[in-house]
Amino acid sequence: SSELTQDPAVSVALGQTVRITCQGDSLRSYYASWYQQKPGQAPVLVIYGKNNRPSGIPDRFSGSSSGNTASLTITGTQAEDEADYYCNSRDSSAKHYVFGTGTKVSVL
Amino acid sequence: QVQLQQWGAGLLKPSETLSLTCAVYGGSFSGYYWTWIRQPPGKGLEWIGEISHSGNTNYNPSLKSRVTISVDTSNNQFSLKLSSVTAADTAVYYCARDESYCGNGVCYTGADYWGQGTLVTVSS
Repeated sequence: SSELTQDPAVSVALGQTVRITCQGDSLRSYYASWYQQKPGQAPVLVIYGKNNRPSGIPDRFSGSSSGNTASLTITGTQAEDEADYYCNSRDSSAKHYVFGTGTKVSVL
Repeated sequence: QVQLQQWGAGLLKPSETLSLTCAVYGGSFSGYYWTWIRQPPGKGLEWIGEISHSGNTNYNPSLKSRVTISVDTSNNQFSLKLSSVTAADTAVYYCARDESYCGNGVCYTGADYWGQGTLVTVSS
């Protein structure tokens, strides 16, 4: 299967740590990338590869992977981190892009 | 600094063909996949397809029969055509640059630059 499954929503207290997971068979072959999307804006890549952050992404964002599950962790969550988060990878053929179902992160 | 700027018609009638173009400014045009992604209102991201600078294409199997992605390397542009649109094709459409790498047992992919998005509404 090329599907990537995420929990629909999680909440986190300001300053605390939240972990978002993404499950799918394709993650056994590809590291997940993670995107943050705020309302009315294009997604922004926050993590790619094993645990790489594009320029300008705060180091409170980190990624990890084990088997068919990838995780995005936000340590010391800020109010501006409230957003939808999507994982993505390629399927086993490498010819098709796959997005996760998305997780809405609410900061309390 | 890489910038993607996209344009195209925002209102279509059922059965018409959606047409969008994305221009790439800055950076290299080769070595990447140039990608179209859409997002229906209130829903998640859906990959439509991609093209390399040399013209190799990959499409979402669910849309393949209606999608054509082409590239104009002389102008650093790529385009999307989606035929026979219906209301279900109403979405914000994004172009993006994808960097995919596979080597030494490590594979990853990621869209690091995105266009501003175009809302395409299909309505009679």
